[in-house]
Amino acid sequence: QVQLVESGGGVVQPGRSLRLSCAASGFSFSTYGMYWVRQTPGKGLEWVAVIWYDGSNDNYPDSVKGRFTISRDNSKSMLYLQMNSLRAEDTAVYYCVRDKDVSFDYWGQGTHVTVSS
Amino acid sequence: QSALTQPPSASGSPGQSVTISCTGTSSDVGGYNYVSWYQQHPDKAPKLIIYEVNNRPSGVPDRFSGSKSGNTASLTVSGLQAEDEADYYCCSYGGSNNLNNLRVFGGGTKLTVL
Repeated sequence: QVQLVESGGGVVQPGRSLRLSCAASGFSFSTYGMYWVRQTPGKGLEWVAVIWYDGSNDNYPDSVKGRFTISRDNSKSMLYLQMNSLRAEDTAVYYCVRDKDVSFDYWGQGTHVTVSS
Repeated sequence: QSALTQPPSASGSPGQSVTISCTGTSSDVGGYNYVSWYQQHPDKAPKLIIYEVNNRPSGVPDRFSGSKSGNTASLTVSGLQAEDEADYYCCSYGGSNNLNNLRVFGGGTKLTVL
């Protein structure tokens, strides 16, 4: 069965960096686009990064552009999110999500990121 | 403030039907048949229950159905059961011209089974 397992969350000071990882299994990882989606009590759900199935392209909303970088290693079925210059408003639960038929068909369990001094 | 508007709460008794609305614009909900719905129980990840407006993934009960009219999409839960009590979120493709709207979410609706 499809499994997405995130790791790397934690508490970090403003301005510092954090790298999230997502281990995928149970499907052909290299044939799916992948997203990172975050959830906060205040702003709800928000996509923060997308990467094409082959890693040839990636996109970000303005809220994280220039600070976050998504990448993948298809040989290891791994997805990553490098988060730099973190701000308090980046505090959220971050989900690794598979993209299928323009919907998010599988979600990981989420990893908590808290940005606080 | 979310891009798509959902009522913050909805409720119904067991066996009844409840409909949750999701209002966007002609640039998202009204412009594409790419509306999806997600169910989220407390401390769990969201789960896809409807995609492409009215399609159910395998394993999702047919008590869940979706529709769309103009800029408003709707999720109907028929024959309410206790386990349907959860938060429900809609999401729409918003086109690639403005990447901020590539995917837009609703603010969520808390469904209570009375």
